[in-house]
Amino acid sequence: DAKTTQPPSMDCAEGRAANLPCNHSTISGNEYVYWYRQIHSQGPQYIIHGLKNNETNEMASLIITEDRKSSTLILPHATLRDTAVYYCIVRVVGELIFGQGTELSVKP
Amino acid sequence: GAVVSQHPSWVICKSGTSVKIECRSLDFQATTMFWYRQFPKQSLMLMATSNEGSKATYEQGVEKDKFLINHASLTLSTLTVTSAHPEDSSFYICSASQGGGMGYGYTFGSGTRLTVV
Repeated sequence: DAKTTQPPSMDCAEGRAANLPCNHSTISGNEYVYWYRQIHSQGPQYIIHGLKNNETNEMASLIITEDRKSSTLILPHATLRDTAVYYCIVRVVGELIFGQGTELSVKP
Repeated sequence: GAVVSQHPSWVICKSGTSVKIECRSLDFQATTMFWYRQFPKQSLMLMATSNEGSKATYEQGVEKDKFLINHASLTLSTLTVTSAHPEDSSFYICSASQGGGMGYGYTFGSGTRLTVV
């Protein structure tokens, strides 16, 4: 599976949009981009995934660049409960390999 | 949505004893389950892949005789930490897939905090 690069930490003001970037420059054509988050001392929670097109669900939006070498997870209106470590993972099938992720702190 | 139940959520055991952690898929059948370990301030590390009815596949550096995995049914996988030592203290997390090929995500359990004293 391709590796991903994420900033180690980010801050966001409550109520504002949180934009979390991810670089995956060596992604292959059939690899999906997945986003999970982990709130302290809990198991990871699925957020969203996509292949080529932008995706949106009730939690977030996923914007994938046309060349698929990077993506951005958007939390449209961040709340304090969105404070967590966010992981960007690329894979085809098989196990999920976690990188270091981005620690997002939402501040009042 | 898919739910994975992990039990116990925390356990304290004495050094030298064994501890069993259960991972159940409640509303779907999971052909494959995965076991992770997470130390404080670190990311999740994959320990092994568990396939129903066959032997688990362990990642490099993970002792298969110490971390026994059993996946006897499509809804249950267990991880037994044998002869536990303080360095085995960690957060253990399982995950399961509904299958269906590419594009399907995985559901994670809530984790088990193991403390060996």
